[in-house]
Amino acid sequence: DVQLQESGPGLVKPSQSLSLTCSVTGYSITSGYYWNWIRQFPGNKLEWMGYISYDGSNNYNPSLKNRISITRDTSKNQFFLKLNSVTTEDTATYYCAREGVFFAYWGQGTLVTVSA
Amino acid sequence: DIQMTQTTSSLSASLGDRVTISCSASQGISNYLNWYQQKPDGTVKLLIYYTSSLHSGVPSRFSGSGSGTDYSLTISNLEPEDIATYYCQQYSKLPYTFGGGTKLEIK
Repeated sequence: DVQLQESGPGLVKPSQSLSLTCSVTGYSITSGYYWNWIRQFPGNKLEWMGYISYDGSNNYNPSLKNRISITRDTSKNQFFLKLNSVTTEDTATYYCAREGVFFAYWGQGTLVTVSA
Repeated sequence: DIQMTQTTSSLSASLGDRVTISCSASQGISNYLNWYQQKPDGTVKLLIYYTSSLHSGVPSRFSGSGSGTDYSLTISNLEPEDIATYYCQQYSKLPYTFGGGTKLEIK
């Protein structure tokens, strides 16, 4: 069965970078599909952040402008989120998810708080 | 961006009831609409894709319908495990966008 698991620091200081890892088991991230990051703000609003595809191409939400980067390590079957210049507005629960026009598999989510 | 609106933020119903949750898009999305269930522990599951297709393993008491800009999720015969928040999501155009959620509670 496909499983995704987020990991990374739970606390990041303002102006620093947020870095998260999504570890995937049960399916190779190079075999197909799109590998996404989605976040949920306090108050429950969901925001799609972007993806890295099975072939390594990216697509990002324009709202994140030039702050976001999604990369991967195919040898470890992991993909990564880096969000630069964070503010308190980036405090959220971050989910990774597999997509093929619908998000069929989600991680359990990891809370990241941006605070000094 | 396409705005997705779930006008009902919370809904209270009794076990065995039929419940309908609505979602509207700011422009036509050609049935490119999915529904998700989020349990109180944060776990998210896909219920319905492409407006009305039931995802594998999802009970048949869940169904979806709609067209154009207006869509709905119906739960027939409400069961205790259906207590959750429900979100719609469009994939007609990037960036993908979600509705604000409808929290379902038991009376």
